Amino acid sequence: AQSVTQLGSHVSVSEGALVLLRCNYSSSVPPYLFWYVQYPNQGLQLLLKYTSAATLVKGINGFEAEFKKSETSFHLTKPSAHMSDAAEYFCAVSRPDSNYQLIWGAGTKLIIKP
Amino acid sequence: EPEVTQTPSHQVTQMGQEVILRCVPISNHLYFYWYRQILGQKVEFLVSFYNNEISEKSEIFDDQFSVERPDGSNFTLKIRSTKLEDSAMYFCASRETTGPGELFFGEGSRLTVL
Repeated sequence: AQSVTQLGSHVSVSEGALVLLRCNYSSSVPPYLFWYVQYPNQGLQLLLKYTSAATLVKGINGFEAEFKKSETSFHLTKPSAHMSDAAEYFCAVSRPDSNYQLIWGAGTKLIIKP
Repeated sequence: EPEVTQTPSHQVTQMGQEVILRCVPISNHLYFYWYRQILGQKVEFLVSFYNNEISEKSEIFDDQFSVERPDGSNFTLKIRSTKLEDSAMYFCASRETTGPGELFFGEGSRLTVL
């Protein structure tokens, strides 16, 4: 069975600092992994996805994530935080045995300090 | 850019009333989903729909819930007799093909049951 764990319900960083949002997964089959972002009062927008190609995946807004099979991780990073990055970030794993529906992490709220 | 649209953005209803949430998926998409997010909790899968029938549903999707694609463009979620615990944000999503491709989400419909 697939599951996703996001460490830290809230992460606070200073503007210009490194952003690191952690995601670990468990999957009985090779996983497809996603990061979505939810800005206040908006829907879910895809940041990036891993679908068994390159392990380092680049997404929108300067975010990237690295798939590490040995660590069962897919952490999201951005070298320099911007105030506009304040949002909630969700990691998700896709179930290929179930119409590729998404199993979601609990989300991490990213707070940017000026 | 094509997008998934949902109406209403917010609905307040009395317990026991029927509610219909509407979604217009992206026009060439074939796979449709409903998810919900209770305030402060994870995004949860409700149901997936393909070829005019439900392909999978979760334990949450009990007999009080139903989905329909009445006219080839709209995709509706009906809750027959709402309960307090149905209060949540409901997200519609669509995908063009099967496989781990991107799910495109609407902005959500917030349901408040009093």
